[in-house]
Amino acid sequence: DSGVTQTPKHLITATGQRVTLRCSPRSGDLSVYWYQQSLDQGLQFLIQYYNGEERAKGNILERFSAQQFPDLHSELNLSSLELGDSALYFCASSVALTDEQYFGPGTRLTVT
Amino acid sequence: KNEVEQSPQNLTAQEGEFITINCSYSVGISALHWLQQHPGGGIVSLFMLSSGKKKHGRLIATINIQEKHSSLHITASHPRDSAVYICAVRTETSGSRLTFGEGTQLTVNP
Repeated sequence: DSGVTQTPKHLITATGQRVTLRCSPRSGDLSVYWYQQSLDQGLQFLIQYYNGEERAKGNILERFSAQQFPDLHSELNLSSLELGDSALYFCASSVALTDEQYFGPGTRLTVT
Repeated sequence: KNEVEQSPQNLTAQEGEFITINCSYSVGISALHWLQQHPGGGIVSLFMLSSGKKKHGRLIATINIQEKHSSLHITASHPRDSAVYICAVRTETSGSRLTFGEGTQLTVNP
């Protein structure tokens, strides 16, 4: 158990819908990362927050947004969902900006 | 061409064998990570290294910065080592974001 929690574990929804994925980092970790793992693209970095501020952006679609709250938990919002958004979404956390990252168990999103 | 290349893509071994998984990268890096992804999907961080060698139990990771190459070794492999092993780098210009290799699927047969 890495200490990073993600909810829900599984999510099935229809095209066009909006979902919110939640991540709680390890106690004491200030940095949160979101990753997407799809069958055809592999693991890709989406976005990083550090102590509530966005620090880095990767291949995140405009339909996706994220935020980190004062209690350091983070949410990833996915809207206007398409079939291609079906993937595993991982959250990771680290103490500071460049430390080892600890991964959550992931949320498996299926868009039908 | 991907910035991070792993070989082999698939590896099958017999229990007890010594295993090596390779990772080559084409950019300057500040750190390299080895991750393990279990069949259920969970990802575990095995090592983060920027030089030399690290050892944890039966796992050894090495990196050669000049040759832009890293290896993950598993000694006395066991069926429970069966997983996907992923190499990821933090480049000098990307801050803390990771760029991932495609992974190596390891199967260890009893």
